[in-house]
Amino acid sequence: DAKTTQPPSMDCAEGRAANLPCNHSTISGNEYVYWYRQIHSQGPQYIIHGLKNNETNEMASLIITEDRKSSTLILPHATLRDTAVYYCIVRFETSYDKVIFGPGTSLSVIP
Amino acid sequence: GAVVSQHPSWVICKSGTSVKIECRSLDFQATTMFWYRQFPKQSLMLMATSNEGSKATYEQGVEKDKFLINHASLTLSTLTVTSAHPEDSSFYICSAPPLNYGYTFGSGTRLTVV
Repeated sequence: DAKTTQPPSMDCAEGRAANLPCNHSTISGNEYVYWYRQIHSQGPQYIIHGLKNNETNEMASLIITEDRKSSTLILPHATLRDTAVYYCIVRFETSYDKVIFGPGTSLSVIP
Repeated sequence: GAVVSQHPSWVICKSGTSVKIECRSLDFQATTMFWYRQFPKQSLMLMATSNEGSKATYEQGVEKDKFLINHASLTLSTLTVTSAHPEDSSFYICSAPPLNYGYTFGSGTRLTVV
């Protein structure tokens, strides 16, 4: 699976949009970009994934650049409950391969 | 959606005793289960991969005899920490491979060895 790089930490004001970047310059043509988050002392939670088109669901939006070398996860109206570590992972959609987690981005939503 | 039930959510045990952690896939069959360990303020570290009907595959540096993994059925995988010591205190998480939306994770087990 392709390696990803994320900033170690970010702050966001409550109610504002949180934009979390991820670089994945070695992504291959069939690899998807997945985002998970982990709230303290819980298991990671799936947020969203995409291949090349922008995606949106009830939790977030995913913007993938045209060259697919980077992406941005957008939480449109961050709340205190969005404070968590966010992990960007690239992998094949139906792969059963193991997933190696990077350090992720620790997002702090500030009142 | 796919749910992985992990128990117990927390456990305190005495040094030298063994602790078993269970992960069950509730509404799907998981032929593979991944086990992670997480220390405070660190990312998830993959320990091993369990496969139903075969031996688990351990990551480099993980003691096979200390962390016994059994994948007894298509819906149950267990991790037993044998002869636990305080340095084994950690957050343990299981995960099943994707259905349609990526990996499904258990809620984690906080192990404290005293």
